[in-house]
Amino acid sequence: SQKIEQNSEALNIQEGKTATLTCNYTNYSPAYLQWYRQDPGRGPVFLLLIRENEKEKRKERLKVTFDTTLKQSLFHITASQPADSATYLCALVYTGGFKTIFGAGTRLFVKA
Amino acid sequence: DARVTQTPRHKVTEMGQEVTMRCQPILGHNTVFWYRQTMMQGLELLAYFRNRAPLDDSGMPKDRFSAEMPDATLATLKIQPSEPRDSAVYFCATQGISGNTIYFGEGSWLTVV
Repeated sequence: SQKIEQNSEALNIQEGKTATLTCNYTNYSPAYLQWYRQDPGRGPVFLLLIRENEKEKRKERLKVTFDTTLKQSLFHITASQPADSATYLCALVYTGGFKTIFGAGTRLFVKA
Repeated sequence: DARVTQTPRHKVTEMGQEVTMRCQPILGHNTVFWYRQTMMQGLELLAYFRNRAPLDDSGMPKDRFSAEMPDATLATLKIQPSEPRDSAVYFCATQGISGNTIYFGEGSWLTVV
């Protein structure tokens, strides 16, 4: 069965540093991969999408890479700020477009 | 602004009772997802619909859960009878016709005692 793995341990970093979160998957050939942010008590909010034929995508301080050979995506937040503290979820979308499966998420704490 | 609306936001009920959660998709969105989130399992896909037709409900316990879309403006998730292990946050999320982004509601926080 399909499996999406995100580091279950929280990531603690100092303000200004780059946060790097990992998403690994098995038994899966996604059409594209997405990253979402979830704050406590709220629903996830979309951040970035990267397609299977793309290696890298950027949006402001965010960067996502996608390696379909390694079956891995890396999510980077540069110049991190305490306001970036949240849980970050990766999601894979089946070829064909609709079914979207999420990882359990990684909690990020950015200390001032 | 456009948003996915879920009701109730919070529900505490006794084991054995029926629970119905409702979702109003963003106007024009034709794909609706139901997810359940717990600390142990993370965000699990229960079922999803496209153009009101169920496409996949394999993530849903069939004996007690049911999901429907009576019309394009309403999706429902029903649990009957509810059990303590159903305690979780249930999210409805929707997607537009040409979009890839999924928009989540704020969730229905269910506690079954």
